[in-house]
Amino acid sequence: ELKVEQNPLFLSMQEGKNYTIYCNYSTTSDRLYWYRQDPGKSLESLFVLLSNGAVKQEGRLMASLDTKARLSTLHITAAVHDLSATYFCAVETNAGNMLTFGGGTRLMVKP
Amino acid sequence: DTEVTQTPKHLVMGMTNKKSLKCEQHMGHRAMYWYKQKAKKPPELMFVYSYEKLSINESVPSRFSPECPNSSLLNLHLHALQPEDSALYLCASSPKTGQFAYEQYFGPGTRLTVT
Repeated sequence: ELKVEQNPLFLSMQEGKNYTIYCNYSTTSDRLYWYRQDPGKSLESLFVLLSNGAVKQEGRLMASLDTKARLSTLHITAAVHDLSATYFCAVETNAGNMLTFGGGTRLMVKP
Repeated sequence: DTEVTQTPKHLVMGMTNKKSLKCEQHMGHRAMYWYKQKAKKPPELMFVYSYEKLSINESVPSRFSPECPNSSLLNLHLHALQPEDSALYLCASSPKTGQFAYEQYFGPGTRLTVT
C-alpha cells in the first residue's frame, strides 16, 4: 500500500523567512503533484512534476522531485501572508488512475 | 472553458432523504473523479470514471451511487446517509491524453451536512 508522508504537518513562520516542506512516498512513481487549498475552498494545482530531477518555480514557491529518493520538496522563499494555506502533495499511482495524497501541511505566515 | 463546476454548493439533508450532487466539465477530459474530504484531512478517493465507465470504486458504501451520463457530466446519488458522511465532496477531471494526462482539475466542492 502506497504511503505518502508530508512534514511538517503544521508550520508557522514569519514573513520574509524561508522554509521547506517535505513529501516522502513509499513506492515507485515518476509523477508528483502539489496542490494548495485555502480554508473551505477547493484544491488549486500548483506544480506538476513528471520526471526525476524536475524542478518548477512559480513566484516564491519552488518544487522539486527526486524519484530515486522518493522525495519531493516545496521550498518557500521570503514568505508572505498570502501564502497561508494548506499544501498537499499527491503521488500518481495505478497507471495514472489515482492520486494518493499526503496528509497536508498547514502553513501560517505571520506578519 | 477551463473549469470544473459543481452543484449545489451547500446541501443539508436528512438521513431518509435522496439527493444528488452534480459535476460538469467542458474541457474534453475523459476521466472524472469523486472525492470526500473531512475537515483538516486530505481528499479521499471514492470513484473514478474513465471514458464514462466506472474503473475504480474504493469500497464506498452503497448509499453512494455514482453515475456518468456522458463524458462531461458526473453525478453522485445519495440515499440513507449517516451524519458521519457530512463532508466536502470534490469532483475532479483529467485529460487522459497528452503530457499532462493525469493532472487533476478540481471543482469547488459541495459542502454536505447530514442531519
